[in-house]
Amino acid sequence: ELKVEQNPLFLSMQEGKNYTIYCNYSTTSDRLYWYRQDPGKSLESLFVLLSNGAVKQEGRLMASLDTKARLSTLHITAAVHDLSATYFCAVEYATGRRALTFGSGTRLQVQP
Amino acid sequence: GAVVSQHPSWVICKSGTSVKIECRSLDFQATTMFWYRQFPKQSLMLMATSNEGSKATYEQGVEKDKFLINHASLTLSTLTVTSAHPEDSSFYICSARGRGLYGYTFGSGTRLTVV
Repeated sequence: ELKVEQNPLFLSMQEGKNYTIYCNYSTTSDRLYWYRQDPGKSLESLFVLLSNGAVKQEGRLMASLDTKARLSTLHITAAVHDLSATYFCAVEYATGRRALTFGSGTRLQVQP
Repeated sequence: GAVVSQHPSWVICKSGTSVKIECRSLDFQATTMFWYRQFPKQSLMLMATSNEGSKATYEQGVEKDKFLINHASLTLSTLTVTSAHPEDSSFYICSARGRGLYGYTFGSGTRLTVV
């Protein structure tokens, strides 16, 4: 059974600070996704990471993937209030049923 | 880009009634549709996967007679919550994967409240 563990579950940080969200998964995966969810809304796709060593950046967010360690990170640089949201990583099985298994989510609160 | 339209955005229904939620892929053929349920402050839990023209595959613990999924065409999937009860109140989100596309497109979600 594929397990996806995300930490921290809750993160309160000040504007201008840096922080990293971690996503560990238990079995071989083809792809890893990062999503953002605002309260009461659906998911917004942030990144798709396809291979070992992949790194993608968009604005103040940067995601990376280490398939050997089964670890992905989402790094936040110089946080701003607009980044306040819940962030999910999701992993797609490498074989068999292709569906996403989500981490528990990290609720990020950026304080002015 | 690929768009999935989900309706209604929110619905309130009486206990014991049935509610249908629709998901349409607007600009691509959705070969596979996924239905998720999300309780407040929790993650998304996969309920079922459906391929066009075939029966849905339900996750363990999801009652298939209660959550009826129909994927009759490549652009439409429906989830019907039958005999709804207050514990079915949740945020339901559909997702679609298209032929020749990688990645998943999510609908906007449906907030169901059963009173």
